[in-house]
Amino acid sequence: NAGVTQTPKFQVLKTGQSMTLQCAQDMNHNSMYWYRQDPGMGLRLIYYSASEGTTDKGEVPNGYNVSRLNKREFSLRLESAAPSQTSVYFCATTEREGTQYFGPGTRLTVL
Amino acid sequence: EDQVTQSPEALRLQEGESSSLNCSYTVSGLRGLFWYRQDPGKGPEFLFTLYSAGEEKEKERLKATLTKKESFLHITAPKPEDSATYLCAVQEWSGAGSYQLTFGKGTKLSVIP
Repeated sequence: NAGVTQTPKFQVLKTGQSMTLQCAQDMNHNSMYWYRQDPGMGLRLIYYSASEGTTDKGEVPNGYNVSRLNKREFSLRLESAAPSQTSVYFCATTEREGTQYFGPGTRLTVL
Repeated sequence: EDQVTQSPEALRLQEGESSSLNCSYTVSGLRGLFWYRQDPGKGPEFLFTLYSAGEEKEKERLKATLTKKESFLHITAPKPEDSATYLCAVQEWSGAGSYQLTFGKGTKLSVIP
């Protein structure tokens, strides 16, 4: 029972390159979330999916797209990476009671 | 204006020296207040959820309390392994199916042997 897994763990991109961050959960939860964490800024919500087949913007969605592939998987895509997207990205899931469970994170550097 | 403010930003304690971390919030309809622990290089780990003023929850050396405007995380006789960043988050009542959290910036706790 792995909980929430994220791949890759680390990534370095050049400005303008694209990439997809993957998140999978085996907790059978309906809702999934993508956050970014920057020094001095705390965790900020990028996008979320309340249930399979739905996605909505969070606080900082610009420059990102998401896909809820099925109930288990929620991916985050950077179409044209910018240095401002250098951050640590976390995926989380929740069941109806609201407690969110986080993955280990992806550390992304954009040069 | 931040909806969730944590203080202090950093706290250094001697082993065994008890203290409290504060989380104040300004949301109008609180559904729940959450405390997480985050170790360097790892994702946040869930500690507690508090739902109503007056509620308290305990786990080992940690006790979380909630009032109508703030929450405290009390650490009794801390050990070096309690060193981490502690995050507070609030959840407001909203549309069905949405359980968004708004996080504070965290308190970095260091416990010195």
